[in-house]
Amino acid sequence: AQSVAQPEDQVNVAEGNPLTVKCTYSVSGNPYLFWYVQYPNRGLQFLLKYITGDNLVKGSYGFEAEFNKSQTSFHLKKPSALVSDSALYFCAVRDRGGDTGRRALTFGSGTRLQVQP
Amino acid sequence: DTGVSQDPRHKITKRGQNVTFRCDPISEHNRLYWYRQTLGQGPEFLTYFQNEAQLEKSRLLSDRFSAERPKGSFSTLEIQRTEQGDSAMYLCASSETSGRLNNEQFFGPGTRLTVL
Repeated sequence: AQSVAQPEDQVNVAEGNPLTVKCTYSVSGNPYLFWYVQYPNRGLQFLLKYITGDNLVKGSYGFEAEFNKSQTSFHLKKPSALVSDSALYFCAVRDRGGDTGRRALTFGSGTRLQVQP
Repeated sequence: DTGVSQDPRHKITKRGQNVTFRCDPISEHNRLYWYRQTLGQGPEFLTYFQNEAQLEKSRLLSDRFSAERPKGSFSTLEIQRTEQGDSAMYLCASSETSGRLNNEQFFGPGTRLTVL
């Protein structure tokens, strides 16, 4: 079984400061990892993904995430937060599994990011 | 707009009634997924199609739920004899099978169901 933990329900950060949203995962094999963002009354928007290769992944809107296999983590980061980054962030995992692997994503419970002006 | 579309965006129904939702995926995507999201939670997987074949169903998908994708394009999700516990946002996503965007799922805006 695969699972994702986002240990913080909410993260507060001042505009211009760096931000980190934490995610840890559990899969039986090697993972595909994703971050999505959800704004009010809108669908999930893809931010970035880790498939293979470089452990530091860069995505949309200046976000990046670092894959750490030994710690089974995939924390989302941004060097300088904007008020417009305030939203709900979801980490998701899929077991690599090949053609017989489970295709569906397993999501964490989400972390609300609040960036204060 | 070439994204995933869902219809209706909102549905209010009385307990015991049947409801049907539609999802139109991105046109070149042959994988289609349904998820359910309740307040304060992340999306939970319901079912997945590759073309017209339903390849995986979650244990969340009770006998009252049925999904179809008859021509491998749009999909419908029907809930029979709705219960108040069915109230949630129902999300549809689609993805390619190969290429640069392999594995990335694109989500629609969702259908918010309220069962009174």
